[in-house]
Amino acid sequence: ETGVTQTPRHLVMGMTNKKSLKCEQHLGHNAMYWYKQSAKKPLELMFVYSLEERVENNSVPSRFSPECPNSSHLFLHLHTLQPEDSALYLCASSQDETYGNIQYFGAGTRLSVL
Amino acid sequence: AQSVTQPDIHITVSEGASLELRCNYSYGATPYLFWYVQSPGQGLQLLLKYFSGDTLVQGIKGFEAEFKRSQSSFNLRKPSVHWSDAAEYFCAVGAFYGGSQGNLIFGKGTKLSVKP
Repeated sequence: ETGVTQTPRHLVMGMTNKKSLKCEQHLGHNAMYWYKQSAKKPLELMFVYSLEERVENNSVPSRFSPECPNSSHLFLHLHTLQPEDSALYLCASSQDETYGNIQYFGAGTRLSVL
Repeated sequence: AQSVTQPDIHITVSEGASLELRCNYSYGATPYLFWYVQSPGQGLQLLLKYFSGDTLVQGIKGFEAEFKRSQSSFNLRKPSVHWSDAAEYFCAVGAFYGGSQGNLIFGKGTKLSVKP
């Protein structure tokens, strides 16, 4: 039980589909993150939200659209993805986004784009 | 720019043997350093962290790590490996991206296999 829950755990989608990934944290944290984990590459930070406001966007393509309706929930909306977007998408949360905060991770959503 | 290097992609050790996973970082100031472990199909779990003070830090599951400023290293160690330790291990450094805000820069990971 990590306190950070991601759904679905696995997702297969075509390049023309629209889908959403969901993350929920039960830790009372104020910051949430999306990471992409591809084979043989370091974890890539995609988005950071603090108190529901986006504070960091690491030049992610517009086919990825995040949404943070409250400090406990984070979504990643996907549309017209490419095969190279197939990866494990990890959500994390921390007390806030200040330097040195420990991040707690969910189990991830394994995404396959056909 | 901040960076983390884990020079070993894959390590195999025998159960009961000692383990050392290497991590080198590049950062201008005193870093915040972390080790995370990822079991197959799971997210990342924090093993231990270094913020300041004693350079030898203890973590969960019998792991420890030593911060050596002169070598820019933060190697992870365990005296006796168990089969359940087979997983991928990630070293990370906390890095500023603006004001007091910061984030984690991860290495590429080291996959640990354990032989019976």
